[in-house]
Amino acid sequence: EPEVTQTPSHQVTQMGQEVILRCVPISNHLYFYWYRQILGQKVEFLVSFYNNEISEKSEIFDDQFSVERPDGSNFTLKIRSTKLEDSAMYFCASSELLAEFYEQYFGPGTRLTVT
Amino acid sequence: DAKTTQPTSMDCAEGRAANLPCNHSTISGNEYVYWYRQIHSQGPQYIIHGLKNNETNEMASLIITEDRKSSTLILPHATLRDTAVYYCIVGLDDYKLSFGAGTTVTVRA
Repeated sequence: EPEVTQTPSHQVTQMGQEVILRCVPISNHLYFYWYRQILGQKVEFLVSFYNNEISEKSEIFDDQFSVERPDGSNFTLKIRSTKLEDSAMYFCASSELLAEFYEQYFGPGTRLTVT
Repeated sequence: DAKTTQPTSMDCAEGRAANLPCNHSTISGNEYVYWYRQIHSQGPQYIIHGLKNNETNEMASLIITEDRKSSTLILPHATLRDTAVYYCIVGLDDYKLSFGAGTTVTVRA
């Protein structure tokens, strides 16, 4: 069964550094998403992406964050200058279409630790 | 999006049906009910969704009351692998899932 993959599984970085989290969505999917989950808290929507542009973003997704689909397979989340509070599990997801309901398939996540 | 209320936790015996309630009294007429689950720190996994009618798939059944103010997710024969946090989500579309705290379900042997 096709699946969403994410790399790395764990990223440790120092405060103020830039990080790029990578995702490979399922190949025929057209919508892509990033969510995050701070340890012990709920899963939070960050951003959705379609047709090479952001469809919607949450208040969390400020100017420090950006997303990109650099080629036909990867979908990336960049955090320009990490803060301690960015430490969280980041989940990428993808879905086929939005014309009617299509389930979101989530990746295994990248655990980001900012020290 | 309408808010949902779920019990914080529940236990279930292995092999028995698990009935997970969800209250969504402020749901609007065109909002769907979605259920996802998250097995220990893994990415959330879609289970089922519905609008008005009851739905069944290979994983579960979804029973929605006639007034649509509440629903029940039924796992017909719970296994130890069904131990997870189960999220009931209500919304107009599925492109921005708003997860709550969910119900922590523990299936016991």
